[in-house]
Amino acid sequence: EVQLVESGGDWVQPGGSLRLSCAASGFTFGSYAMSWVRQAPGERLEWVSSLSGSGGTTYTADSVKGRFTISRDNSKDTLFLQMDSLRAEDTALYFCAKSDSFSPSGYYFEFWGQGARVTVSS
Amino acid sequence: SFVLTQPPSVSVAPGQTATITCGGDIIGGRNVHWYQQRPGQAPVLVIYHYTRRPSGIPERFSGSSPGKTATLTIGRVEAGDEADYYCQVWDSNSDHYVFGTGTKVTVL
Repeated sequence: EVQLVESGGDWVQPGGSLRLSCAASGFTFGSYAMSWVRQAPGERLEWVSSLSGSGGTTYTADSVKGRFTISRDNSKDTLFLQMDSLRAEDTALYFCAKSDSFSPSGYYFEFWGQGARVTVSS
Repeated sequence: SFVLTQPPSVSVAPGQTATITCGGDIIGGRNVHWYQQRPGQAPVLVIYHYTRRPSGIPERFSGSSPGKTATLTIGRVEAGDEADYYCQVWDSNSDHYVFGTGTKVTVL
């Protein structure tokens, strides 16, 4: 059974940093692209970033480019999202999601975690 | 960036059929995928590549063929189908994933 468990969500002041983790199990982690998708309170889903199974190819939304960095450790079956220069508008529930492909482009999000809550406020 | 437009809400009586559209110029020629998000829960993939159902998704859920508007149809609607539904595509021009505006399905 595929399981994705996010952690690291917290309250942080504007301008601060946070690192989210997503522990994966139930599949061969390094064979699949992984992504982060967020949802602000009461809002729709917003894609954040994706990377290939090897971690060599990444794609990132314009709204977070230059501030957020996606990465993975295939030896530990873990996905990360480093979030710097956080803004109030980054407040959201952050989901990690597994694709059904090694490539990070052109596919769908097959399985989702339950999310990690990030609140950016002074 | 483009927008995938969905109706904000759809109301349907139990046992009837709910139809959710997802429209936009970007739809043509691209694979469309659909997600169900029940209140307080993570999204669940219900349709991928326009018409395919993942294992465990009831046959009552079906998707349309490509055009300028993709459609998710839920037949014989049940109370448990009450949720938000989102369409999603990959935009190869921008190398971005795009989600639709979302549709709240209410079972009367």
